[in-house]
Amino acid sequence: DTGVSQNPRHKITKRGQNVTFRCDPISEHNRLYWYRQTLGQGPEFLTYFQNEAQLEKSRLLSDRFSAERPKGSFSTLEIQRTEQGDSAMYLCASSLALSGGPYEQYFGPGTRLTVT
Amino acid sequence: AQKVTQAQTEISVVEKEDVTLDCVYETRDTTYYLFWYKQPPSGELVFLIRRNSFDEQNEISGRYSWNFQKSTSSFNFTITASQVVDSAVYFCALSEAWKTGTASKLTFGTGTRLQVTL
Repeated sequence: DTGVSQNPRHKITKRGQNVTFRCDPISEHNRLYWYRQTLGQGPEFLTYFQNEAQLEKSRLLSDRFSAERPKGSFSTLEIQRTEQGDSAMYLCASSLALSGGPYEQYFGPGTRLTVT
Repeated sequence: AQKVTQAQTEISVVEKEDVTLDCVYETRDTTYYLFWYKQPPSGELVFLIRRNSFDEQNEISGRYSWNFQKSTSSFNFTITASQVVDSAVYFCALSEAWKTGTASKLTFGTGTRLQVTL
């Protein structure tokens, strides 16, 4: 059983450029989450999907951020007009949500974004 | 709003010592879930345990044990006979479940860095 995968693992970009990250969840998982983690902090929730529906977005998620999960499988997170404050580790997690179950989230290795 | 506090920023112990990592949470929800994750130097978060708010039974898994006390809103984690491989950052997290009855987004604490030396 393969885990959550994320690509790319590292991304260096110049301020003002657009970047897109991809997350492939564990195959049978219907929920997919995006988090952002900066140095010395815990991960912060950005958004999550159940199948292809985006159920919640954090107020942290500015208009420059958009996420999709078109077929309920992989997901992409796009950041437009990147700013230096966007530099962080972007984490993806997936879980299986069924009625009555809490089902823990399994995390991918993350994409480290550096905006210069 | 939900909040998780891990007051211990960093703990250093010598191998074979026992160590307890503290976690205090705040929530207005009556149904919620608590989690512990480990983040080793490699960076990938590893799930350790989850508890729901209705189950205050303590749990032991090998050298790991967890103490959940609703009266003090705490969910502490103890490693017995620590080993160098336990060196990592440990995160406590909370998920409220009032909307859907299932856990959804996680609110993490700031983590406790555990350093185990020989």
